[in-house]
Amino acid sequence: TQLLEQSPQFLSIQEGENLTVYCNSSSVFSSLQWYRQEPGEGPVLLVTVVTGGEVKKLKRLTFQFGDARKDSSLHITAAQPGDTGLYLCAGDLRNNQGGKLIFGQGTELSVKP
Amino acid sequence: KAGVTQTPRYLIKTRGQQVTLSCSPISGHRSVSWYQQTPGQGLQFLFEYFSETQRNKGNFPGRFSGRQFSNSRSEMNVSTLELGDSALYLCASSRENTGELFFGEGSRLTVL
Repeated sequence: TQLLEQSPQFLSIQEGENLTVYCNSSSVFSSLQWYRQEPGEGPVLLVTVVTGGEVKKLKRLTFQFGDARKDSSLHITAAQPGDTGLYLCAGDLRNNQGGKLIFGQGTELSVKP
Repeated sequence: KAGVTQTPRYLIKTRGQQVTLSCSPISGHRSVSWYQQTPGQGLQFLFEYFSETQRNKGNFPGRFSGRQFSNSRSEMNVSTLELGDSALYLCASSRENTGELFFGEGSRLTVL
């Protein structure tokens, strides 16, 4: 059972298009993180959202945390070939014994020039 | 500031053998987590160590084990390797109580 459902799994678009990636769960997270991974490398943290309803912007990337802290979305405006990569959402099931990040399956994004 | 370092980067083993992977966290980070990444399952949590103690554990069989040393460096071991253990093993370190992970480049294990 996948705790974090991420969609779509694959996305191939043209340069300049907009896209949205969704991350959904029935669990409540203390925070949610988005990572980007390129081939041959480990994931790199893009952003952490903590408060329900929070919106964070990172240049052309907009991240939103759901009001109930169970879901999140990543919106990319005017995608560029450099945005190509695997995007991963990760929910923090923090407890008094420390954190435990649960990852979604990932969205493989390909932006063609 | 040096990032997370994992060794070896690539290795090939045969079924039944065992393997040890090493991870050096970012200086000052005391938490080290290990993940297995495969195309079919994505990133699966193996375990987390903090101050030489295993703090969290994922749903992997006992063949997967780990430890952490006093300098926060960590190792994970997989015994009696199976074909399905072929994967990218990622180590990540974090500052205390932030939950934000800094990943190494991973160790790609192929089991033949």
